[in-house]
Amino acid sequence: DTVLTQSPALAVSPGERVTISCKASESVSTRMHWYQQKPGQQPKLLIYKASNLASGVPARFSGSGSGTDFTLTIDPVEADDTATYFCQQSWNGPRTFGGGTKLELK
Amino acid sequence: QVNLLQSGAALVKPGASVKLSCKASGYTFTDYYIHWVKQSHGKSLEWIGYINPNSGYTNYNEKFKSKATLTVDKSTNTAYMELSRLTSEDSATYYCTRSVSAGGWFAYWGQGTLVTVSS
Repeated sequence: DTVLTQSPALAVSPGERVTISCKASESVSTRMHWYQQKPGQQPKLLIYKASNLASGVPARFSGSGSGTDFTLTIDPVEADDTATYFCQQSWNGPRTFGGGTKLELK
Repeated sequence: QVNLLQSGAALVKPGASVKLSCKASGYTFTDYYIHWVKQSHGKSLEWIGYINPNSGYTNYNEKFKSKATLTVDKSTNTAYMELSRLTSEDSATYYCTRSVSAGGWFAYWGQGTLVTVSS
């Protein structure tokens, strides 16, 4: 299975720019998607196919990458962005998710 | 508007089975694949498998092949997942979600069903 590796946690101040990375154990082309999950809620799609903004998602969110290295950027970060962010691939075999990056605001 | 409404929380005994439901509305049920995803408390997400409601074709994550059975009832626009031979490792929140193709992304999610396995 394709393993997706994310940093476990980040802390930033409101107004700053933050990048969350996701590294795949093998190429997933551009079939990488990003989700935001707040406590007690279901995941919410932010970015699909590496760089496409999902409907209704603020333009502060953006995605980039291809192959094995992907990035989710939030610029500027707002207090409401406190959440866990997951990457997910749909290119190889069973869909897999990263372990999640918990974003905290200072 | 698209909605995936899942059944309520379940408390089940070890060794038993449980059948979760996911009722779809706001779109043509047979046009989208239904996937199921497991989230153990405080942990990441695991993809269980998907079903094509139009054909009934299923594709499972090897890890869940002997654990989960996916079905649909097209007459009620409802997808089901039955989990068998439950153990404490199956205690988790289970989500249904949909994609436009087998290799697609998950734009809509159900609210989740918490399954607790305990005697």
